Amino acid sequence: AQTVTQSQPEMSVQEAETVTLSCTYDTSENNYYLFWYKQPPSRQMILVIRQEAYKQQNATENRFSVNFQKAAKSFSLKISDSQLGDTAMYFCAFMGLASGTYKYIFGTGTRLKVLA
Amino acid sequence: NAGVMQNPRHLVRRRGQEARLRCSPMKGHSHVYWYRQLPEEGLKFMVYLQKENIIDESGMPKERFSAEFPKEGPSILRIQQVVRGDSAAYFCASSPWDGTVNSPLHFGNGTRLTVT
Repeated sequence: AQTVTQSQPEMSVQEAETVTLSCTYDTSENNYYLFWYKQPPSRQMILVIRQEAYKQQNATENRFSVNFQKAAKSFSLKISDSQLGDTAMYFCAFMGLASGTYKYIFGTGTRLKVLA
Repeated sequence: NAGVMQNPRHLVRRRGQEARLRCSPMKGHSHVYWYRQLPEEGLKFMVYLQKENIIDESGMPKERFSAEFPKEGPSILRIQQVVRGDSAAYFCASSPWDGTVNSPLHFGNGTRLTVT
């Protein structure tokens, strides 16, 4: 069974600084998708960034980028120029295709606090 | 295009009562997922449905929980004879699922169930 591990329960970063959130996953599949979702205090789940496993190029979305290391099964999120509005829970998610059920597996989350 | 609509936003039930949680997916989305989030924890997969079909219910407790997604109307997550341990936020997500990463999950705002 696939698992997603986020080993940092909490992190903090100064405004305008850069922070990296780690995520590792375990799977025997070769074709899958990876996502980072953000959950601010409002509780709304918001998609931050997505990555296809067959693409070697790391995905970027404005200040958000990933470091995807397929062999190491690692998918870290880098937030540049951190802003107060980035304060939220961040969840890493895996979705495999082999099973055909397209079930998304989430990690336990990292609580990020951006300090003024 | 309205997002994923969940209601009610908050639901209070006494032990032994039934809880019915509703989810209307985004227009054009035929896939619905239900997740449970306990306080300070990540999202736990419960069930994945298409119209009139349960695709994967491997995360659903065997007793008291059921889900449906009828041809017409919202998806319903039903919890019978609720217990205090059922208190959690329940999130619904939908996807058009075109087989690519361009169809990620879109989440509703969740229903917070409190069992007294």
